[in-house]
Amino acid sequence: QVQLQESGPGLVKASETLSLTCTVSGGSFSAYYWNWIRQPAGKGLEWIGRISTSGTTTYNPSLKSRVTMSVDMSIDQFSLRLTSLTAADTAVYYCARGAGADAFDVWGQGTVVTVSS
Amino acid sequence: QSVVTQPPSVSGAPGQRVTISCTGSRSNIGAGSDVHWYQQLPGTAPKLLIYGNSNRPSGVPDRFSGSKSDTSASLAITGLQAEDEADYYCQSYDRSLSALVFGGGTKLTVL
Repeated sequence: QVQLQESGPGLVKASETLSLTCTVSGGSFSAYYWNWIRQPAGKGLEWIGRISTSGTTTYNPSLKSRVTMSVDMSIDQFSLRLTSLTAADTAVYYCARGAGADAFDVWGQGTVVTVSS
Repeated sequence: QSVVTQPPSVSGAPGQRVTISCTGSRSNIGAGSDVHWYQQLPGTAPKLLIYGNSNRPSGVPDRFSGSKSDTSASLAITGLQAEDEADYYCQSYDRSLSALVFGGGTKLTVL
């Protein structure tokens, strides 16, 4: 079955850039949208954006100016880059597969990112 | 504040039926956008529970059901069990924001 695994630094400094990668294994990488979602501790879920395997991106307007996503089909990975970090970006970051009608049917386990001042 | 709203908490005794509402507007649920539901057990990633308003992925018990009407949707859980205690989120697409949006989440407590 398909599995997703996030990787990246757990601690980043304010004003710097966060880079996370999601590796997809055990299933097809093409023909899906690949998403990033985050969740601050004790709070709800926020969709960050998505990328298709052809590289088409859609970002949450609230984060659009700071977000870049990319995809590498040769190694079944997609990535998130978030710039100008503040404490408000501290959260668990999840990658998730987008199925039909925009549902997220497979999720990674999440990676904790803390922004320090 | 999310553009789709859920009650912060609901509760029920084992064996009972509970419902969780997800209220939107004409720019999301009322515009025809599908509603999906997720269950998040403590310390784990969310899990897709209902997709396309009322469809259950393979492996999800039929105790869970979803419905949609006008600008709102509901998740119903029958035969409540202790292991159902979790946070539940609805999700849809908002045309005004051009973004996928989540409800604020509802904490289900099994008494």
